[in-house]
Amino acid sequence: AQSVAQPEDQVNVAEGNPLTVKCTYSVSGNPYLFWYVQYPNRGLQFLLKYITGDNLVKGSYGFEAEFNKSQTSFHLKKPSALVSDSALYFCAVRVNTNAGKSTFGDGTTLTVKP
Amino acid sequence: EAGVTQFPSHSVIEKGQTVTLRCDPISGHDNLYWYRRVMGKEIKFLLHFVKESKQDESGMPNNRFLAERTGGTYSTLKVQPAELEDSGVYFCASSQEWRGAYNEQFFGPGTRLTVL
Repeated sequence: AQSVAQPEDQVNVAEGNPLTVKCTYSVSGNPYLFWYVQYPNRGLQFLLKYITGDNLVKGSYGFEAEFNKSQTSFHLKKPSALVSDSALYFCAVRVNTNAGKSTFGDGTTLTVKP
Repeated sequence: EAGVTQFPSHSVIEKGQTVTLRCDPISGHDNLYWYRRVMGKEIKFLLHFVKESKQDESGMPNNRFLAERTGGTYSTLKVQPAELEDSGVYFCASSQEWRGAYNEQFFGPGTRLTVL
């Protein structure tokens, strides 16, 4: 069975500082990894994905994530946080054999303070 | 292009009642997924339609839940009778023709269900 862990329920950073939201996964087979963001009263918005190739992937709004196979991690990062980045972030994994079914983590609430 | 829409946005019902949630996917998307987030935990997969057929319903919690997608367009998820533990946010997502597990899934805003 596949699983995703987001070990931090809450991450607080000051505006302008770098941010990291952690994600580790467990799958049988090659993982396809995703980050989504949810703003209040909105649906999940796709941020970025890792399918294959370069371990560092860049996505929307200046976010990036690094796939680390040995540590089974896919941490989300941003060099300089904005107050508007404050939201709920979900990491998700799929494997090719399950036709797009996603397994999500519990979510991490990011708060960026001015 | 309109995104995935869900109706209602909120529903408050009493235990034992019936509720029907609706999802309208992006036009032309063959794949439709239902997920739910209960008690602030992870978002869990419920089922996957390809057009009108159920591709995978392994996540459906029990037979009180019935999903349909007549004609391969919109989908409904009925909970009958509702129990307290069914409270949560129900998300719908859609994606284009399946070309592998990495098709981007577009999510709706969710329906917040509260069972009292």
